[in-house]
Amino acid sequence: DQQVKQNSPSLSVQEGRISILNCDYTNSMFDYFLWYKKYPAEGPTFLISISSIKDKNEDGRFTVFLNKSAKHLSLHIVPSQPGDSAVYFCAASGNTDKLIFGTGTRLQVFP
Amino acid sequence: DSGVTQTPKHLITATGQRVTLRCSPRSGDLSVYWYQQSLDQGLQFLIQYYNGEERAKGNILERFSAQQFPDLHSELNLSSLELGDSALYFCASSSAVNQPQHFGDGTRLSIL
Repeated sequence: DQQVKQNSPSLSVQEGRISILNCDYTNSMFDYFLWYKKYPAEGPTFLISISSIKDKNEDGRFTVFLNKSAKHLSLHIVPSQPGDSAVYFCAASGNTDKLIFGTGTRLQVFP
Repeated sequence: DSGVTQTPKHLITATGQRVTLRCSPRSGDLSVYWYQQSLDQGLQFLIQYYNGEERAKGNILERFSAQQFPDLHSELNLSSLELGDSALYFCASSSAVNQPQHFGDGTRLSIL
């Protein structure tokens, strides 16, 4: 049972435009959500997080939106840059610290 | 640099063998987590330690065990290795509940 789903395995965006990565979850007990970026041969790098008491969190070019009623979160990257090309994972946790990860979306930003 | 150090980066061994993976958390972080990433799968939680004590367990095989030492570094022991154990093993650390986990660069384990 995949509790955290990223239904788009890949996304291609032009440099300077907005990238929108989506994530859906099924467990209503999740109350903390994170996005990680991963380059090949490296570990996941933390990008941004959001608590379930909020519906938006912003950090520079990165904004995460949380829609609890739809059990959906999204990551917006504006403007997209070639260095943003990587695999992006969303993750969630509930009453334990363990993170449940989605299967990732590969973002490619082209010039 | 996340501040989490994992050694070794690569391990190649044979079926039936035993290996130990090591993790040093970020300075000040009391929680250590272990995750496994197999081919075509996302990261799967294995186990968490907090200040030396086991805090949570995921779908960790009985052949696998872990511990966290007084200096807070952690080791993941994998025994009676099978071909299916070939994967990337990541360690992460965090300072508190609902704080981001920061990951090391992983140990790639290959079973021949």
